[in-house]
Amino acid sequence: EPEVTQTPSHQVTQMGQEVILRCVPISNHLYFYWYRQILGQKVEFLVSFYNNEISEKSEIFDDQFSVERPDGSNFTLKIRSTKLEDSAMYFCASRWREGHEQYFGPGTRLTVT
Amino acid sequence: SQQGEEDPQALSIQEGENATMNCSYKTSINNLQWYRQNSGRGLVHLILIRSNEREKHSGRLRVTLDTSKKSSSLLITASRAADTASYFCAADEGFKTIFGAGTRLFVKA
Repeated sequence: EPEVTQTPSHQVTQMGQEVILRCVPISNHLYFYWYRQILGQKVEFLVSFYNNEISEKSEIFDDQFSVERPDGSNFTLKIRSTKLEDSAMYFCASRWREGHEQYFGPGTRLTVT
Repeated sequence: SQQGEEDPQALSIQEGENATMNCSYKTSINNLQWYRQNSGRGLVHLILIRSNEREKHSGRLRVTLDTSKKSSSLLITASRAADTASYFCAADEGFKTIFGAGTRLFVKA
């Protein structure tokens, strides 16, 4: 069964460093998403992406964040200058079309020290 | 408060009993989805119900949606110890999906 994959599973970085989190959505899906979940808290929407552009972004998704679909398979989230409060689990998700199920990857645990 | 708020926050039941979790949301939605998350793991999609549907079944799961009350419920019948997890509703509003805080379900063997 196709699944969303994410790499790395765990990333440790120092405050102020740039990180890139990578995702491979399910191959025929058209809509892509990033979420984060701070330990013990709810899952928070960051951004949605369709047709090579951002469809919607949350207040969390400020100028420090960017997304890219550099080729036909990868979908990346970049944090330019990480802060301690960026420490969280980051989930990528994809769906074929609006109105259909949204499937999540296993997540990348980001630890900023 | 946020869209997709669940209650109860925590639920402890015996194996074999039914578990009901409720979710409320604030604005108009396209669909509502339910997910399960085991501690520290990824989100597993359980079921999606569209805004024009009132009830949906999948195995031991039954989901209802009442758009007039902006609420949904997830019923797990004949619960098993393996159902122990956190359950989240997620409201699709346009291109944005808003998750609730979740219900932590503990099923005692």
